[in-house]
Amino acid sequence: EAGVAQSPRYKIIEKRQSVAFWCNPISGHATLYWYQQILGQGPKLLIQFQNNGVVDDSQLPKDRFSAERLKGVDSTLKIQPAKLEDSAVYLCASSLDRASGNEQFFGPGTRLTVL
Amino acid sequence: QKEVEQDPGPLSVPEGAIVSLNCTYSNSAFQYFMWYRQYSRKGPELLMYTYSSGNKEDGRFTAQVDKSSKYISLFIRDSQPSDSATYLCAMSGSGSARQLTFGSGTQLTVLP
Repeated sequence: EAGVAQSPRYKIIEKRQSVAFWCNPISGHATLYWYQQILGQGPKLLIQFQNNGVVDDSQLPKDRFSAERLKGVDSTLKIQPAKLEDSAVYLCASSLDRASGNEQFFGPGTRLTVL
Repeated sequence: QKEVEQDPGPLSVPEGAIVSLNCTYSNSAFQYFMWYRQYSRKGPELLMYTYSSGNKEDGRFTAQVDKSSKYISLFIRDSQPSDSATYLCAMSGSGSARQLTFGSGTQLTVLP
């Protein structure tokens, strides 16, 4: 079974630039999550999708962050414009459904550096 | 106060030692308790999953939950260099969303 795929693996940008991350969850997984993991901290949930609908985006900084999962499979997370404090690893995870959310499968993450 | 507190370490032990990792929490609504392992430059992977209070054993790993004290532990017996990683505790409530709240992680190194 293929795992959660993410790209790119690394990205370096200047502040005020924009950046986008892509995630392909495990086939058949209805629930998709985006997390931000700052160095030395645990992952923090940014947004949760159930199929192509948003379940929770309460911790997403909506003035600069946006995410979509148009066809209920792949998802993109965008930051525009980026700030220095956005430097982190952005993790995508998926679970079979919302009730299986305790067993999430994570991708390798995208390491973002904002200069 | 953070909802989940975890000693960041780092923790360094010799091969074969018993390792004890711990988390405390403040939210009484947490019902599910997980331990995720994260190797360097990788995403977290689920290691152990327990519901409510009690113990659960899986090979060299034992997870304990004491809801009365709001305290969870992970024990690793006969630790191996391959166990070197960051261990994250995670918790969720009984609601349908099952959203995880993570601790900050404990970095463990097992020395050969």
